[in-house]
Amino acid sequence: AQSVTQLGSHVSVSEGALVLLRCNYSSSVPPYLFWYVQYPNQGLQLLLKYTTGATLVKGINGFEAEFKKSETSFHLTKPSAHMSDAAEYFCAVSGYPGGYQKVTFGTGTKLQVIP
Amino acid sequence: DGGITQSPKYLFRKEGQNVTLSCEQNLNHDAMYWYRQDPGQGLRLIYYSQIVNDFQKGDIAEGYSVSREKKESFPLTVTSAQKNPTAFYLCASSTDSRESFFGPGTRLTVL
Repeated sequence: AQSVTQLGSHVSVSEGALVLLRCNYSSSVPPYLFWYVQYPNQGLQLLLKYTTGATLVKGINGFEAEFKKSETSFHLTKPSAHMSDAAEYFCAVSGYPGGYQKVTFGTGTKLQVIP
Repeated sequence: DGGITQSPKYLFRKEGQNVTLSCEQNLNHDAMYWYRQDPGQGLRLIYYSQIVNDFQKGDIAEGYSVSREKKESFPLTVTSAQKNPTAFYLCASSTDSRESFFGPGTRLTVL
């Protein structure tokens, strides 16, 4: 079975401060991992993804995430928060349980950026 | 432009009525998905389909039905058996790379 746990349903940071959103996963096979962002009343957009290879993955809008197998983590970071980063962020894991491609999402973390 | 369209954006339904949400994609993706989103619960999988004329129940399929007669289309029907249908519904498709592409969503409200 695959699962994702996002620690912290709400995170507040000051503009210009480091953003750290936490994600831990469980997967019986090497995972494909994703971070998505959602703005109010919209669909989700891909921020970045890890499949194989380099464990530090860079995405759009200055975000990056590091795959740590020993810690089963895939935390999302950004060195300096911008007001436009305020949104909800979802971590996801993709696998083939039962032979069908399936994506399991975390419960999301709402990021608030304080001016 | 390639993408996923969902219609309508907002939908109101009276209790006891069935309603169908539309999802169309022109990305030529084989896999398509329906998710339900409620505050604080993330995305929960309702149904998914890997190919035409084949679909699988997700984690919360009760009270929902789907069809996949064409590669481009994956409509979702919310039946009167769904006890609490008010939610935001998202349709998605994916490639072999497993990246998901999402539509803009439909917000369903039961009156």
